[in-house]
Amino acid sequence: NAGVTQTPKFQVLKTGQSMTLQCAQDMNHNSMYWYRQDPGMGLRLIYYSASEGTTDKGEVPNGYNVSRLNKREFSLRLESAAPSQTSVYFCASAPGAVGANVLTFGAGSRLTVL
Amino acid sequence: AQSVAQPEDQVNVAEGNPLTVKCTYSVSGNPYLFWYVQYPNRGLQFLLKYITGDNLVKGSYGFEAEFNKSQTSFHLKKPSALVSDSALYFCAVRPPWYSSASKIIFGSGTRLSIRP
Repeated sequence: NAGVTQTPKFQVLKTGQSMTLQCAQDMNHNSMYWYRQDPGMGLRLIYYSASEGTTDKGEVPNGYNVSRLNKREFSLRLESAAPSQTSVYFCASAPGAVGANVLTFGAGSRLTVL
Repeated sequence: AQSVAQPEDQVNVAEGNPLTVKCTYSVSGNPYLFWYVQYPNRGLQFLLKYITGDNLVKGSYGFEAEFNKSQTSFHLKKPSALVSDSALYFCAVRPPWYSSASKIIFGSGTRLSIRP
């Protein structure tokens, strides 16, 4: 019963490098989300996908792109990493995008950009 | 603008004492309200939620939360704190289903520290 799986758990990049964070869920959830967590700022939504085939910007989308590859997988790409993107990234999923659906989170990916 | 506030960055409580972690929100209509907990180096875990009905909601690990519509608050409580309750707690709000904004809004988090 894996839930939400994120890879990699840790990554160090140099400014300007690109990388993709992978996320997969095995709960047949419709909606998936990417958040970043920074000290004192809580969780901020980067992008979300309400259902397979759709994606939408969240609160802080600049510098990121996403792909909802299929119902299970939702990836986050940094095309040209910047030190301001140093953060802990969390993927989450929920049965639906509205209502009282509970989010299930992955364990997080810690990214450092030098 | 819709927002969630957790006014205390840190709450310190002695083991065995009652604890309260505060949350207020500014969302139009009747939103859905949640509490999540994050243990070190882990993702967030769901604790409890309020949809409608009884203002006192019971959740996991002996936690409960009180919804107060007039004060737009949803404070997390526990009658007797345990050292193992030490963690980072997040309040979250989702606008009602008829709103065009389907995004969940998180507070900035409150670190709860329980001393033996």
